[in-house]
Order: sequence, then C-alpha cells, then structure tokens
Amino acid sequence: NAGVTQTPKFRVLKTGQSMTLLCAQDMNHEYMYWYRQDPGMGLRLIHYSVGEGTTAKGEVPDGYNVSRLKKQNFLLGLESAAPSQTSVYFCASSYEEISSYNEQFFGPGTRLTVL
Amino acid sequence: AQRVTQPEKLLSVFKGAPVELKCNYSYSGSPELFWYVQYSRQRLQLLLRHISRESIKGFTADLNKGETSFHLKKPFAQEEDSAMYYCALNTDKLIFGTGTRLQVFP
Repeated sequence: NAGVTQTPKFRVLKTGQSMTLLCAQDMNHEYMYWYRQDPGMGLRLIHYSVGEGTTAKGEVPDGYNVSRLKKQNFLLGLESAAPSQTSVYFCASSYEEISSYNEQFFGPGTRLTVL
Repeated sequence: AQRVTQPEKLLSVFKGAPVELKCNYSYSGSPELFWYVQYSRQRLQLLLRHISRESIKGFTADLNKGETSFHLKKPFAQEEDSAMYYCALNTDKLIFGTGTRLQVFP
C-alpha cells in the first residue's frame, strides 16, 4: 500500500506557465482534498472532491482547477502560475467525510516555486 | 466565524520539561478537534482526536468547551517530539491552525 502519493515532488515554474499536480491514492477512498501550506498560515483547503466526477471549492480556490475523473486520482491544475502560488501543496484522502472516527491521510507534498 | 488559533509559532523546551501547545477554537456547533503532527521531511499525520481521550506518544489533549480550548500536553518532552504541530477543527471540512513548531533541546 503506497497510501497517498504526489507527483512531482518539486517544480519550478515561470510566471504564466501552467502545470498539473497529480495525487493518487490506493485506499479506495471516496474523499480527496488539495491543501496549500504557507509559512505562518497553516494548511488551507483549495478544492476537494466527495467522489469520482465531483469537485467543490474550498477556502482558497482562485487560480486553481481540479478534476476527479478516476476515483483514485485527483488532479490540481494551475493554468497561469503566479508568484503568489509558490507554496507546498498537500493532497489528502479519507474514506468518508471527516469525523471524529474518520482520518485524513496526507501525501508527502509538492514544493512549487513560481518565479 | 469558524477559526482555530494557535498563538505560539515556536515553543522551545529542554528534554524532560513539560510541554503545552495551545489551541483555541471558535465554532457554534459541537466541536470535533484533532491534533496533527509533521516531523521533519515527513508527511502530516494524525496524532490524536478529542473523542478518543487516549494518550499517543505520551501526548494528551482535553477538550474544554467552556474555554473553547484543546491544548496538547506532554509531561516530559523528548527530542524526537521536535516537529510542527497543527490543531484542526472539523466543520465538515478541516480548518487548521497556523501551527506551532516544537523544538526540544537535549
């Protein structure tokens, strides 16, 4: 069981370039999430999905798009990268909706720098 | 407003000293709270949840609804406890605090 994996681990972009971050989970989880982690701001939810074919906005969705075409994959896209999107991106998944009895499992993170 | 506040960015203690990482929350419903930990170069992982009322790696946390707090405590800190700690509130999505870095010196 690999758990939650993220590709790539690191990436440097120039302003205006586009890229896609891939999150994959092999735990048959319904729910998947994308967060960004910035110094002094903790983790903030970008987008999430409650099942294959569904997506929803989180706290900071602007500048990002997502797709969940397959249950095991959750893609995060940056159409036109900006320096403000320099961050560490974490993907997470859970079997059901968050509760005291249900845990979120996190990926190792992707460090993105936008110049 | 739904909010999680961790007032300390950094907490430094010596090995064997007691540790308390503070967490306060603002939420109108019945709170479900968690502590997550991120060790150096590792992924974020769940440390404990308020409903379990158990001790994990020597850490405990008690939910105090009157003070709207969920502070994380350990009586004797170890060097391997050095990590980033996040308090999180479930509002059907997780809201994280800004985190506290715990440094335990030998």
